[in-house]
This record gives sequence, C-alpha cells and structure tokens, in this order.
Amino acid sequence: NAGVTQTPKFQVLKTGQSMTLQCAQDMNHEYMSWYRQDPGMGLRLIHYSVGAGITDQGEVPNGYNVSRSTTEDFPLRLLSAAPSQTSVYFCASSLRGDYNEQFFGPGTRLTVL
Amino acid sequence: SQQGEEDPQALSIQEGENATMNCSYKTSINNLQWYRQNSGRGLVHLILIRSNEREKHSGRLRVTLDTSKKSSSLLITASRAADTASYFCATDADQGAQKLVFGQGTRLTINP
Repeated sequence: NAGVTQTPKFQVLKTGQSMTLQCAQDMNHEYMSWYRQDPGMGLRLIHYSVGAGITDQGEVPNGYNVSRSTTEDFPLRLLSAAPSQTSVYFCASSLRGDYNEQFFGPGTRLTVL
Repeated sequence: SQQGEEDPQALSIQEGENATMNCSYKTSINNLQWYRQNSGRGLVHLILIRSNEREKHSGRLRVTLDTSKKSSSLLITASRAADTASYFCATDADQGAQKLVFGQGTRLTINP
C-alpha cells in the first residue's frame, strides 16, 4: 500500500492564481482531512470529509474548496491564492470511528508570492 | 484556536536520558493522541489514549491523561538520537475523530 499520497511536493504560485492540491489514499478510509501547518504552529484543520459526497468546514476554511467524489481522492482547491496561504499542507485519512489514528501524507509546501 | 498547548516548546537532552512533554487542552475529549514529526516530513501516529484511560504504554513511550486537569504527558525513556523530532498532542475536542485539534508542539533534540 502507498498509504496517503500528495502531489505536488512543492509549488510556487503568484497572488490570484488558482490550483488544486491532490490527495489520494489506498486504505479504503472513510475519513479524510486537510490541514495547514504554519511556522511555529500546530496543524489547523481546513476541511474534512466523512465519506464520498460529504464534506464540511474545519477551523480555517476561507479561500479553499474541497470535494469528495470517490473514497480514494480528496483534492483541495485554492480559488485565488494569497500570500497568507503560504504554508505546508497535509492530507490525512482514517477509518470511521472515534478511536482511530490518522495517517498523514508527506505534505505539499506552497509559497504564494 | 489551538486546543492543545505543549510544554516545553523546546527540549534538549542527552542520549539515554528520559524526555517528558506535557499537553494541556481546553474542552472535553473522547481521546487524545500523540504524533511525531521529523523535520520536513508528515506526522506519524505514536499513541492514542481514551478519555476513560489514565495511562498507556507503547515500547519506550508512556502517556498519562488527567481529564480533571485537562492535561496529558508523554514520556520517552532511554532516548535515542532518532527520537529527535517535534511531538504534537491532538484532541478530538469531543467533535469526532475526523476533526483533530493540534497543539503547537514540542521540539525535542537528543544530543549524542
């Protein structure tokens, strides 16, 4: 199993550009989440999904969209990139239930100029 | 907002010593988890403790949970250079396991 994969690994955008960060998992996990990690801070939840067709907002959703058309994929879209979105983005997945660990991808380092 | 707050923010010890990190949180929880992050990498799950548990062990790791004080501690015994990493606590804030709230982390350095 590849686990949780994320592409690209690095990305540089100009202010106002849009892009999609890809996330895929091959563990048949129902739960998937997107986090951002800024220097000196822990991870903050952007959006999450409890199954195909179901998404909801986390702590910092503004400027981001998600969709979940399949169990495996959970892309994160930046609509109009801003310098404040410069961060490292992590995708995670887990089994359904309250007592399961999350499995994290390797992250995407995004810089917005 | 940060649910968990780790203490200390940074810790440097000699190889072979024990390392203790603390985490405090604000709301009721179903579980609390600890994760490790090596520099430039994703997070790796270490241990999960349920709200009705007080202590849990996994290899050289020992986690305690005091729900009355809303705090947890992670003890790493007989530290090794490979333990050098950042350690984060995360809680579900009683909102479900898919909505983890992370602390700011403790940066642990093991000196050979």
